[in-house]
Amino acid sequence: EAQVTQNPRYLITVTGKKLTVTCSQNMNHEYMSWYRQDPGLGLRQIYYSMNVEVTDKGDVPEGYKVSRKEKRNFPLILESPSPNQTSLYFCASANAGVGDNEQFFGPGTRLTVL
Amino acid sequence: DQQVKQNSPSLSVQEGRISILNCDYTNSMFDYFLWYKKYPAEGPTFLISISSIKDKNEDGRFTVFLNKSAKHLSLHIVPSQPGDSAVYFCAASASGNFGNEKLTFGTGTRLTIIP
Repeated sequence: EAQVTQNPRYLITVTGKKLTVTCSQNMNHEYMSWYRQDPGLGLRQIYYSMNVEVTDKGDVPEGYKVSRKEKRNFPLILESPSPNQTSLYFCASANAGVGDNEQFFGPGTRLTVL
Repeated sequence: DQQVKQNSPSLSVQEGRISILNCDYTNSMFDYFLWYKKYPAEGPTFLISISSIKDKNEDGRFTVFLNKSAKHLSLHIVPSQPGDSAVYFCAASASGNFGNEKLTFGTGTRLTIIP
C-alpha cells in the first residue's frame, strides 16, 4: 500500500530535550516536505526536499532541522524544543514532475512541548 | 501575510444540498490550485485541482471553479453526504511542478453535513 508513515504519532516532551520525528514514504517520490498545522493558521511549510541531499527552508524553518540521506526518509529534528513548537506536524511527499502536484500526507504527529 | 484565505472557518449544510466552500488568494503568481480534505486524526488527502488555463474542473460530486480576475476559487459538492463532513483546505502554487515552488495553504473550513 502506497503511504507516508510518521513516528511517533503522539509525543509529549520538555523544553530543550532533543527529539526526532521520522517520516518515510514507499512511493519513490523525489519531493518531501514538513508542515505544521496550528489553529487559525492552516498548514505552514517548515522545510522541503527536492531529492536526496537537497533541502530548503519553507515559511517557518526556525528551530527545526531536516536531513535527506535516503530518498524514502525525511526526518524532522528539533534540537532544543520550545513550547511554541507545540503543534500538529505533517510530512508529505510527491512526484516532482510537471503537472503532477498531488502531495500525499502522513497521518500526523501531535507534539506537546512543556 | 496570508496569501490564501478561507474566510469561513465553518459551514453547515443539509444532507443532499449543495455545499460551497470559498477560497481567495492574493498572489497573482499562483496558477495551480488544489483542494484537500482532512478527517480528524488523519492527514489531508487530495480531492481535486485546477490550473489557471481552466475555469472549471469536475470530478464526480466535486467541482472546482476558478475566477482568476477575482482571485477566487470555490469548491462545490453536490449532493452533500454525511461522509463529506471534514475540514477542507484550499492550496495554491506558482507552477505546475515542485521546482522551487511550494504549496501555500489556506486556514481551512470545517464542513458539517446535517443528516
